[in-house]
Amino acid sequence: DGGITQSPKYLFRKEGQNVTLSCEQNLNHDAMYWYRQDPGQGLRLIYYSQIVNDFQKGDIAEGYSVSREKKESFPLTVTSAQKNPTAFYLCASSMGLGSYEQYFGPGTRLTVT
Amino acid sequence: QQPVQSPQAVILREGEDAVINCSSSKALYSVHWYRQKHGEAPVFLMILLKGGEQKGHEKISASFNEKKQQSSLYLTASQLSYSGTYFCGTERVEAAGNKLTFGGGTRVLVKP
Repeated sequence: DGGITQSPKYLFRKEGQNVTLSCEQNLNHDAMYWYRQDPGQGLRLIYYSQIVNDFQKGDIAEGYSVSREKKESFPLTVTSAQKNPTAFYLCASSMGLGSYEQYFGPGTRLTVT
Repeated sequence: QQPVQSPQAVILREGEDAVINCSSSKALYSVHWYRQKHGEAPVFLMILLKGGEQKGHEKISASFNEKKQQSSLYLTASQLSYSGTYFCGTERVEAAGNKLTFGGGTRVLVKP
């Protein structure tokens, strides 16, 4: 079955530690995205990539970093510089940027204490 | 830049209708609609690419008024399965590549 996988589903970290969230897709999609969702809020774009070895900052990129070394993979690192990292993180992919349906992974709930 | 959705929440009885609106202050290229069940990932409903175009998904349809920079989602004869949070995503043309900006969501609860 084609789809997007994110791991782990739940992640707990101590303040001051960097943490990397995994996102893998086997849909052969060119574009991938990372969103952050806070309780009762919409989706805010962190980073996006339309091709391997290229990515762009979204609306709330500060304190986050990404890499796109393979078409299938788009890991997100939440650094210690992110002031309020506790949130639900969603990865998505699409055939291209813009007017294409985005497919979302199941999400990772990160709690930093 | 975030589109504004209204209402923020709506409670329906099964079989009733509802309208969710999405407004942007910027010119739009397209509008996407997604539904998210509690604790799950958002699921795509439809994309509207042209002004005035209407599309449908089951008994859920939508319109896009390009001039008014607005889109509306129509839930007709609502079913229990329609419960969830509905998000609109507005697409703008940008030099680095078009991207979506999502609204804050509209919570829909359909009761028996």
